[in-house]
Amino acid sequence: GQNIDQPTEMTATEGAIVQINCTYQTSGFNGLFWYQQHAGEAPTFLSYNVLDGLEEKGRFSSFLSRSKGYSYLLLKELQMKDSASYLCAVRVIEKLVFGTGTRLLVSP
Amino acid sequence: NAGVMQNPRHLVRRRGQEARLRCSPMKGHSHVYWYRQLPEEGLKFMVYLQKENIIDESGMPKERFSAEFPKEGPSILRIQQVVRGDSAAYFCASSPPSDYEQYFGPGTRLTVT
Repeated sequence: GQNIDQPTEMTATEGAIVQINCTYQTSGFNGLFWYQQHAGEAPTFLSYNVLDGLEEKGRFSSFLSRSKGYSYLLLKELQMKDSASYLCAVRVIEKLVFGTGTRLLVSP
Repeated sequence: NAGVMQNPRHLVRRRGQEARLRCSPMKGHSHVYWYRQLPEEGLKFMVYLQKENIIDESGMPKERFSAEFPKEGPSILRIQQVVRGDSAAYFCASSPPSDYEQYFGPGTRLTVT
């Protein structure tokens, strides 16, 4: 079976740092993705981790621990436009298995 | 380089009608994936296709749903005899061979009345 868990909703203040956690149990593993999705729009790629450790890309960083089945997405210097859903997805062979997404609300 | 194109963006069908959703992958991409997103739920994998081949259809409902990716033209997701529960956003993604990233199209929002 496939199981990916992430919090349903988080709130944070503009300029702050927020960490969105994701735990997974899947029948295979070929990498972990984070996507951002604004309401009514397509998911857009943020990051990809296949090896343990931290990947940094501007204001966004993503961490992976394969032994723990755990990842997090770190967003720094939050901006209002970061209000969106953040989707954790595990690549199993070729397909992506998604969590239900974390809705992040950034307030002034 | 244009992104993944999907049409129509919005589709309204009455119960029992057929729905045809089209996806044109990015130039140079030969792999196409279809995902469904029900209201307030995550994206669920439906099917993975390469040109003229269905590679993985483990997420497709057994009845009424079919997909194709012909040698020429877009990939088509076809839903026969639609029911209210088919109302959802259907996203297509594409990737080039030997690349991990899937690029998503804007989606088709299907409403069944």
